[in-house]
Amino acid sequence: AQSVTQPDIHITVSEGASLELRCNYSYGATPYLFWYVQSPGQGLQLLLKYFSGDTLVQGIKGFEAEFKRSQSSFNLRKPSVHWSDAAEYFCAVGGGDMRFGAGTRLTVKP
Amino acid sequence: DGGITQSPKYLFRKEGQNVTLSCEQNLNHDAMYWYRQDPGQGLRLIYYSQIVNDFQKGDIAEGYSVSREKKESFPLTVTSAQKNPTAFYLCASSPRSGSSDTQYFGPGTRLTVL
Repeated sequence: AQSVTQPDIHITVSEGASLELRCNYSYGATPYLFWYVQSPGQGLQLLLKYFSGDTLVQGIKGFEAEFKRSQSSFNLRKPSVHWSDAAEYFCAVGGGDMRFGAGTRLTVKP
Repeated sequence: DGGITQSPKYLFRKEGQNVTLSCEQNLNHDAMYWYRQDPGQGLRLIYYSQIVNDFQKGDIAEGYSVSREKKESFPLTVTSAQKNPTAFYLCASSPRSGSSDTQYFGPGTRLTVL
C-alpha cells in the first residue's frame, strides 16, 4: 500500500534562509507525488506535482521539489523563505487514492 | 470563478445530533472526496465518489454518511454514531479518480460538538 512519511513535525527557519522539507514515500510503481500548503484554518493549495520526466519540479511561490527514486524521496525546497511561507506543508502520493503525510509545520523567524 | 465551496465555515452542534456539511464544486469534476483532519494526523479519507449516484468508504467511514445525487454536490452527514466528531473537515474534487489526478480542496468546515 502506498504511504508517505514526513519526518519533521515542526521546522523553524529564519526569514531569508533556505528551506528543505523532507518527504519519503512508499509506492509499488512510478509514483505521482504532490506537495500542498495549508494556512491556518484554510484548505490545501497545490504547490507542485511530479508525474514523470524531469526530476526537478518547479512550483508556485518559488518552491521546487526533487524526485529521487533511489532514495524514495520528494523533498521540497525554497532558496529564501519569506514570513508569508509560514504554514503547514503536506506531501502526498497517488491521486484517486491519495495518501498524505502527517504534515510539517513551518515557523519563520523574523 | 471556478472552485469548491464548503459551508458553513464553523459549525457547532450538541452531542447526539446529526449534522450535514455542504460541499459544492463548479469545476465539472467527476470525483469528489471528504477528508477529516486532526492535529498531527494529516488527512484521513472518509468517503469518496467517482461518479454520480456512486460512492465508496474510505479509511474512517464509520459514523459518517454521504450522497451524490448531483455531479456538483457531495454532502457529508456526521451522525450521532461518530464517537469523536470534533475536527476540521475538508472536501476535495478531481477531474477523475486516477492516480495522476490532482485533487483540489475547499476551504474546510470546522465542526465542534459540545
